[in-house]
This record gives sequence, C-alpha cells and structure tokens, in this order.
Amino acid sequence: DAGVIQSPRHEVTEMGQEVTLRCKPISGHNSLFWYRQTMMRGLELLIYFNNNVPIDDSGMPEDRFSAKMPNASFSTLKIQPSEPRDSAVYFCASSPSTYSNQPQHFGDGTRLSIL
Amino acid sequence: GENVEQHPSTLSVQEGDSAVIKCTYSDSASNYFPWYKQELGKGPQLIIDIRSNVGEKKDQRIAVTLNKTAKHFSLHITETQPEDSAVYFCAASRSNTGKLIFGQGTTLQVKP
Repeated sequence: DAGVIQSPRHEVTEMGQEVTLRCKPISGHNSLFWYRQTMMRGLELLIYFNNNVPIDDSGMPEDRFSAKMPNASFSTLKIQPSEPRDSAVYFCASSPSTYSNQPQHFGDGTRLSIL
Repeated sequence: GENVEQHPSTLSVQEGDSAVIKCTYSDSASNYFPWYKQELGKGPQLIIDIRSNVGEKKDQRIAVTLNKTAKHFSLHITETQPEDSAVYFCAASRSNTGKLIFGQGTTLQVKP
C-alpha cells in the first residue's frame, strides 16, 4: 500500500517567496493533518481536515499560512510570504477518521529552508 | 492547555538491555495513547498504541502500560537491538477531537 506522499522532500527558497507544500493521503482515509517539527517546539499540529473540511486551524501560526483540501486525495499548505523562522520539517499525516482515535500515518516530510 | 511531558530526553543502553520511556498527560479526558518511532530523515511511524480501557498492551519486544489515575503511560522495549536506535514520541488525544498532543521526544541509542 502506498503511504502518505509529500512533495517536495526538500525546499530551499529566499525570504518573501511563496512556498507550497503538497500532500497525498492514504486512499480511503477521511482525515488529514499538517504538522511542523522544529528542535525548539517539537511536533506541532497546524491544522486538520475531516472529509475535506477544515476542523481546527488553531495551530496555524499566522495569516501567512493557509491550507486547502480541494478533494479527498490532495492537500496543500502554503506560506506567503515566507520568513526564515518558517524553516522546519513539515509533515502531513492521514487517518481513517478524526474521531474514534484511529492511528495517524505520517509522510516523510518536507524539509523547508528559508534563506 | 493540554500538555504531554516525556522523560528522559536521551537514553543510552547496551544491546540486549531494556529501555523504558515515560510520559504524563494533563487532559484527564484523553483516551488514546500512541507511540511513534522516528528515524533520521523519516516521518514518525506508529509502533504501538493503547486505549484507556486497557492497562497494558504487548507486541513482541514492545509493551505499553497505562495508569489512568496517575495520568501516566510508559513504553518498554526489551532485548534492545541497534536498529531500535531512533527518536521515540509519545502522544495523547481524546476521541471527540482526534488531536494528538506529542511529548518532546526521547533519543534512544542502543550500543552494540
């Protein structure tokens, strides 16, 4: 079975540029999560969707961050404009369901560096 | 707010010894406790989970125990092997939100 697929695996860009991270969840999973991992703050939940609808975006740090899920097989996390402090590893995870405590399966992440 | 504390932050053991990682959680409504293993350059991978209606769960060399009264849960790895070396994360969530709150992680090194 294909797992969660994220692209790109690495992104290096200059401050001020728009960055778009992509995620394809596991087929049949109804829930999708975006996380950010840094040494200082660990793993933080940014936003999650259930059946393509955003449920909780309280972890999104600023208005510069936005996420969409236009269909069940694709999601994007966009940063515009990007800043050096956005440098981190961004993970996408999917789960059969948000509720009833189903396991979350993670992709291998996008390592983002903002110069 | 919800919080999960994980200890120790680093753990070094000899191959064949046991390793124990401990977590405490603050939200008494939490009822799901997964453990993840993260290798370098990879995403976290679920290794075992436990729900609040169970006190202990085993899967080969890995076991997890849960004490709901103390709001405490632990990961036990027996007969450690060098390939167990990784960062381990505990997490907690409640079923009406599905939000995982992660601990800070434990870097486990198993020396051959």
